[in-house]
Amino acid sequence: KAGVTQTPRYLIKTRGQQVTLSCSPISGHRSVSWYQQTPGQGLQFLFEYFSETQRNKGNFPGRFSGRQFSNSRSEMNVSTLELGDSALYLCASSPKSGGGGSPLHFGNGTRLTVT
Amino acid sequence: DQQVKQNSPSLSVQEGRISILNCDYTNSMFDYFLWYKKYPAEGPTFLISISSIKDKNEDGRFTVFLNKSAKHLSLHIVPSQPGDSAVYFCAAIKNGATNKLIFGTGTLLAVQP
Repeated sequence: KAGVTQTPRYLIKTRGQQVTLSCSPISGHRSVSWYQQTPGQGLQFLFEYFSETQRNKGNFPGRFSGRQFSNSRSEMNVSTLELGDSALYLCASSPKSGGGGSPLHFGNGTRLTVT
Repeated sequence: DQQVKQNSPSLSVQEGRISILNCDYTNSMFDYFLWYKKYPAEGPTFLISISSIKDKNEDGRFTVFLNKSAKHLSLHIVPSQPGDSAVYFCAAIKNGATNKLIFGTGTLLAVQP
């Protein structure tokens, strides 16, 4: 089985622009979660989608949004980029949502640099 | 509010010896605890997990111990190998209809040949 695929791997954007990141989960996985990793804050939960519905949202401003399509692929969008948005954005998939016993499988991330 | 803490930013161990990575948590509502390993430029890889109703789980060279009264868990790697050198993250999750993981800040393990 192919793993979680994130595109693009690297992205450079300018302050004020917007960006869209893409994630294809493992085949059969219906839950997709997004995390932001920064040196100062570590890995922080952004949001989770399951069957095209947002299940949970982390403590991030409304500039961060996401969606999930009927094939379980997901996108996240960041509008009006700020320098502090520079981070590694990680996508993770799982067969189900909740329960804790089914671990998340992560992609290799998209490295976003905002200049 | 850091609900999951890894107080040691780094750890150095000789090859063949035991590596012990520690993690503390504050929220007694967590139901599962997981350990992930991360190499640079890659996503975290799941290692092992433990349910809050257990105190030990073992998988090959990896064993996780949970002490609920102390709100403490540890990951033991025996024997340590140079390929184990990576950042190790402890994570916790509350039971419910969500996959929201709360991560610790990570411990960089260096296994010296």
